[in-house]
Amino acid sequence: NAGVTQTPKFQVLKTGQSMTLQCAQDMNHEYMSWYRQDPGMGLRLIHYSVGAGITDQGEVPNGYNVSRSTTEDFPLRLLSAAPSQTSVYFCASSYQASVTDTQYFGPGTRLTVL
Amino acid sequence: AQSVTQPDIHITVSEGASLELRCNYSYGATPYLFWYVQSPGQGLQLLLKYFSGDTLVQGIKGFEAEFKRSQSSFNLRKPSVHWSDAAEYFCAVGAANFGNEKLTFGTGTRLTIIP
Repeated sequence: NAGVTQTPKFQVLKTGQSMTLQCAQDMNHEYMSWYRQDPGMGLRLIHYSVGAGITDQGEVPNGYNVSRSTTEDFPLRLLSAAPSQTSVYFCASSYQASVTDTQYFGPGTRLTVL
Repeated sequence: AQSVTQPDIHITVSEGASLELRCNYSYGATPYLFWYVQSPGQGLQLLLKYFSGDTLVQGIKGFEAEFKRSQSSFNLRKPSVHWSDAAEYFCAVGAANFGNEKLTFGTGTRLTIIP
C-alpha cells in the first residue's frame, strides 16, 4: 500500500492563479479530509468527505473547493490564490468518519502564494 | 466546542533524558484524545490514543500518555529520548457528535534533542 499520496510536494503561485492539489489513498477509506497547517495554529480542517459524492465544509473552507468522484481521490482546488493561502496542506484519510478511527496523513504540499 | 492547549512551543532535551510534553483539553463530555508526531518534511503519524479504560496509554516508539480527568490533561512521556525523537508533537481531542465528528489539534510542541 502506498497509503496517502499528495502531489505536488511544493508549489509557488501568483495571486489570482488557480490550481488543484491532488490527494489519493489506496486503503479503501471512506473518510478523507484536507487540513492546512500554519505556524502557531496547529492543523485546521478545510473540507472533508464521508464517501464518494459527499463533501462538507470544515473550519476554514473559504477560497477552496473539493469534490469526491471516487473513493480513492479527493482533490482540493484553490479558485483564486491569495497570499493568505500560503501554508502547508495535508490530506488525511480514515476507514470511517469517526474520531475513533486512526487518521492517516499524506506527506503534505507546501504552497507559497506571491 | 472542544479546544486543546499545548503550553510549550519548544522544548530542548538531552539525549537519554526523560521527556514530558503537556497537553490540556477542554471538552464537556468524555474526550477522545490523541498524540501525533510529525517528523521534518513528513505528515503526521499517530503515536497513541485514549478513548476509555486504563488512563495510562502505551503507544509506539516507547511513548506513553496519562489521562487525568481532574486536571483535563493528557501529557505525553518517554523515559529516555533518542535523537530520532526530534520532531513536532501534536495533541488532539475528538468530539463524537453523530454526523459531525471533528478532531481539534493543538498548536504543537517542537522537540529538539541535544547530544
